[in-house]
Amino acid sequence: NAGVTQTPKFQVLKTGQSMTLQCAQDMNHNSMYWYRQDPGMGLRLIYYSASEGTTDKGEVPNGYNVSRLNKREFSLRLESAAPSQTSVYFCASRPGLVSYNEQFFGPGTRLTVL
Amino acid sequence: DQQVKQNSPSLSVQEGRISILNCDYTNSMFDYFLWYKKYPAEGPTFLISISSIKDKNEDGRFTVFLNKSAKHLSLHIVPSQPGDSAVYFCAASAYRGSTLGRLYFGRGTQLTVWP
Repeated sequence: NAGVTQTPKFQVLKTGQSMTLQCAQDMNHNSMYWYRQDPGMGLRLIYYSASEGTTDKGEVPNGYNVSRLNKREFSLRLESAAPSQTSVYFCASRPGLVSYNEQFFGPGTRLTVL
Repeated sequence: DQQVKQNSPSLSVQEGRISILNCDYTNSMFDYFLWYKKYPAEGPTFLISISSIKDKNEDGRFTVFLNKSAKHLSLHIVPSQPGDSAVYFCAASAYRGSTLGRLYFGRGTQLTVWP
């Protein structure tokens, strides 16, 4: 049982390049989330997917797109990377919306945009 | 607009003493509160939670207190150990309304426990 996995662990991009961050969970969770963490800013929600087939914007969605590929996988895409998107990205999952329980986080992807 | 605030960026405590981490929130719809711990180069891990129907929840050395009237919660760690040194995030969620299921995080407090 690997929990939440993220690939890649590290990535360096040039401004304007595109890339997709992958996230998968093996806990049969319904809800999945993408956050970014910047120094002194805590964790800010980019997008989330309450259940397979649905996605919603979070606090800082601009410059990102997401795909809930199936129940296990939730990917985050940067179409044209900018230096402001240099950050650590965390994916998380949670059993569902209608119960009191925590989110489980992956190990993160450290992205640098030059 | 920061709905969850951790006003102390850092806290330094001697091993064996009590660590108290504080958190304030502004949204009265929040009814579930969590603390996460984060080590460098790792993802946050869940530590303890409390629902708004309680004012205290305890798990071993960790106790969370909730004061709804003051919109304030705190995490007590007793006794503190060097392995507790990490960034602690306070988070809140509402199970009513359009924010259903989302977590709102504070900016974190870096706890350092020294021998």
